[in-house]
Amino acid sequence: GQSLEQPSEVTAVEGAIVQINCTYQTSGFYGLSWYQQHDGGAPTFLSYNALDGLEETGRFSSFLSRSDSYGYLLLQELQMKDSASYFCAVRDAAGGGNKLTFGTGTQLKVEL
Amino acid sequence: SAVISQKPSRDICQRGTSLTIQCQVDSQVTMMFWYRQQPGQSLTLIATANQGSEATYESGFVIDKFPISRPNLTFSTLTVSNMSPEDSSIYLCSVAGTGYNEQFFGPGTRLTVL
Repeated sequence: GQSLEQPSEVTAVEGAIVQINCTYQTSGFYGLSWYQQHDGGAPTFLSYNALDGLEETGRFSSFLSRSDSYGYLLLQELQMKDSASYFCAVRDAAGGGNKLTFGTGTQLKVEL
Repeated sequence: SAVISQKPSRDICQRGTSLTIQCQVDSQVTMMFWYRQQPGQSLTLIATANQGSEATYESGFVIDKFPISRPNLTFSTLTVSNMSPEDSSIYLCSVAGTGYNEQFFGPGTRLTVL
């Protein structure tokens, strides 16, 4: 089966850079996604990596190493509104590649 | 992207009763997904709902407990049957974007079972 591990909590100060790691075990890997979820809100899509390397979208970047079964989400110029839970999720061959398995989630706290 | 609505947004129910959650999407989609998120936890997929066929349930979830309907390409319902306090969770529906690289989620239904 699939498993994804993330740190449970990360704390950083406003304006800093933070990296949230995700290691996964799966078979028939298609890609790794990242989602943000504020308290009481729905998860929202941030990024998707199918190939090795770094994808940048504004202040957020996501990295994937398929050989290491590892990825990370990099948040730059942290703002208070970035305080949320962040989930990595794998898309793999299970279910024909049409569903996601979510990681344990990382709660990010941004402080002044 | 897709705009998804869910009803009810929250409910408090008595044990032994059932609750049906509705999910409406603003566009036609082949697959709809139902997740459960227990307080402070990650999202766990309950089942995948396809129009015109039976839903596909994940390990640990059964149709008798979580019957699903998918009458058309924009609507689905999930019923939580014979509820117990352990069913207290947020229930989310989602749909996949083009290519299934991303999913869009509804606002969720917060269920409390007493």
